Amino acid sequence: NAGVTQTPKFRILKIGQSMTLQCTQDMNHNYMYWYRQDPGMGLKLIYYSVGAGITDKGEVPNGYNVSRSTTEDFPLRLELAAPSQTSVYFCASSFEGHLHFGNGTRLTVT
Amino acid sequence: EDQVTQSPEALRLQEGESSSLNCSYTVSGLRGLFWYRQDPGKGPEFLFTLYSAGEEKEKERLKATLTKKESFLHITAPKPEDSATYLCAVPMGGGTSYGKLTFGQGTILTVHP
Repeated sequence: NAGVTQTPKFRILKIGQSMTLQCTQDMNHNYMYWYRQDPGMGLKLIYYSVGAGITDKGEVPNGYNVSRSTTEDFPLRLELAAPSQTSVYFCASSFEGHLHFGNGTRLTVT
Repeated sequence: EDQVTQSPEALRLQEGESSSLNCSYTVSGLRGLFWYRQDPGKGPEFLFTLYSAGEEKEKERLKATLTKKESFLHITAPKPEDSATYLCAVPMGGGTSYGKLTFGQGTILTVHP
């Protein structure tokens, strides 16, 4: 099993550009999550999904959108990138217990 | 509002020098506390879940304990490979979702040979 796979690993965006961060898992987990991690801060929940077709907002959803059309995939969309979205983004999945994280996408918005 | 505070922010140890990391929390109706380990450039990796005050769990040189206000991660005779950032987290709002978590800011542990 590959676990949770995130692409790309790194990306630089200009202010106002859009992009999609990809996340896929091969563990057949129902629950999937997007967190962001900023230096000196704890991880913050952006969006989560309890199954295909069902998504909900977390703590810091503004500026982001998600969709969940399959169990495996949970992409995160940034529509109009802003410098405040410079961060490391982690996707995670779970069955009923602890989280399994991907290795992150480091995004810089300049 | 849930709060999770970890201390110290950074800890430097010599190999073999035992110590403890602290995680204090303010949440109504704790339903579990999680410890994760994060290596540079990687995602967090699960270590322990503690469910109730007085509970202890061990894994190799690590032992996690829980009281009603805080959790400790004790590291006995650490090795350089224990160097990492250690994160603790609690379910948001005292809920039962183990994926919707409030994280502390982490403790960066460095173990020198």
